[in-house]
Amino acid sequence: DTEVTQTPKHLVMGMTNKKSLKCEQHMGHRAMYWYKQKAKKPPELMFVYSYEKLSINESVPSRFSPECPNSSLLNLHLHALQPEDSALYLCASNLDGMKPDTQYFGPGTRLTVL
Amino acid sequence: AQSVAQPEDQVNVAEGNPLTVKCTYSVSGNPYLFWYVQYPNRGLQFLLKYITGDNLVKGSYGFEAEFNKSQTSFHLKKPSALVSDSALYFCAVRDGNRDDKIIFGKGTRLHILP
Repeated sequence: DTEVTQTPKHLVMGMTNKKSLKCEQHMGHRAMYWYKQKAKKPPELMFVYSYEKLSINESVPSRFSPECPNSSLLNLHLHALQPEDSALYLCASNLDGMKPDTQYFGPGTRLTVL
Repeated sequence: AQSVAQPEDQVNVAEGNPLTVKCTYSVSGNPYLFWYVQYPNRGLQFLLKYITGDNLVKGSYGFEAEFNKSQTSFHLKKPSALVSDSALYFCAVRDGNRDDKIIFGKGTRLHILP
């Protein structure tokens, strides 16, 4: 089973709200990723967790805060977002972030910031 | 610097005809190459990858890709296109400096005409 799940599917929030995105995989993968994707553009890497430790932060603004509570879960906490943060947020995982391998993507959360 | 180029924004093919979606790359070290497909409002689905071995790689849904080291290309092909193949296709390459990171091309929209 190569499934990555993400909740919620859609999220609308105001600029003063605090919300969280959730990602889960049960494939035993040890690397998990957050990407941001604008319409008709490629995904942009935001964060990488490898063995539950943050290994890459692509200079993402602090209003985005990732968290990896365990090897199966990845959260993205959102606070004081801007309208330009509206996008599809994708989670992905792969077996071992120390070797090149296939990343498996979730269906994404469509975020709208008002 | 690592990079991947998809020279065509859109490719139009008649149903039943062969299709090719082009990808060229520039990497230091061994190239690890991937193709993903994205249907509207969905996450990315893995199609195939080249890590090592045979230059002709077969993947999901009847797609295949040919790794050509001398031309630094990894074109995606299918012998007979289906209308359901219409989607956004991304070529990706491992970041030569980081095994846990891949770089996406800008994407090519494939439109299969019935």
